[in-house]
Amino acid sequence: AQTVTQSQPEMSVQEAETVTLSCTYDTSESDYYLFWYKQPPSRQMILVIRQEAYKQQNATENRFSVNFQKAAKSFSLKISDSQLGDAAMYFCAYRSAYSGAGSYQLTFGKGTKLSVIP
Amino acid sequence: DSGVTQTPKHLITATGQRVTLRCSPRSGDLSVYWYQQSLDQGLQFLIHYYNGEERAKGNILERFSAQQFPDLHSELNLSSLELGDSALYFCASSTRLYNEQFFGPGTRLTVL
Repeated sequence: AQTVTQSQPEMSVQEAETVTLSCTYDTSESDYYLFWYKQPPSRQMILVIRQEAYKQQNATENRFSVNFQKAAKSFSLKISDSQLGDAAMYFCAYRSAYSGAGSYQLTFGKGTKLSVIP
Repeated sequence: DSGVTQTPKHLITATGQRVTLRCSPRSGDLSVYWYQQSLDQGLQFLIHYYNGEERAKGNILERFSAQQFPDLHSELNLSSLELGDSALYFCASSTRLYNEQFFGPGTRLTVL
């Protein structure tokens, strides 16, 4: 079974600064997807960014980028120019690329609570 | 707004009771996943339905069951409720089996 570990329960960043959230995972699969989800106080789960394991290029979405290190099984999220609206819980998630059962459920880490200081 | 709707938003009930949570996927989405978010266990996968058929079960208790109807909406039934069942229950839908999942706003269940 796959596991996802987020070792930083809480982090804080000054507005306009850059912060990196860490995530490691364990899997025996060679192909898979990794995601970062944001959960603001409203509790809505919002997809921030995704990475396909077979792609060596790190994914970017505006101010959000990832550092994907497949050999190290590491998947960190970098938020540049942090804004007050970035304050939220951030969850790292794993999903298999192939499933014999035809089910592609997400396995989540415990989350990192990010505070943004004005 | 993801296009996935869940009702009710909040539910308060007593131990031993039974409740039904409802999820309407995005238009055209065939897959519905149910997840539970609790303080103890974090976000956990419960069960997956695709086009009316159960595809996979995760850490779902025997007291819990689900189904997906011909119009593709899904219901999660929780019975003999315990205090520990208090949690936020999400459903997520996707177009096909392997596409991106879009989450609903969740149902907050409080068992007193």
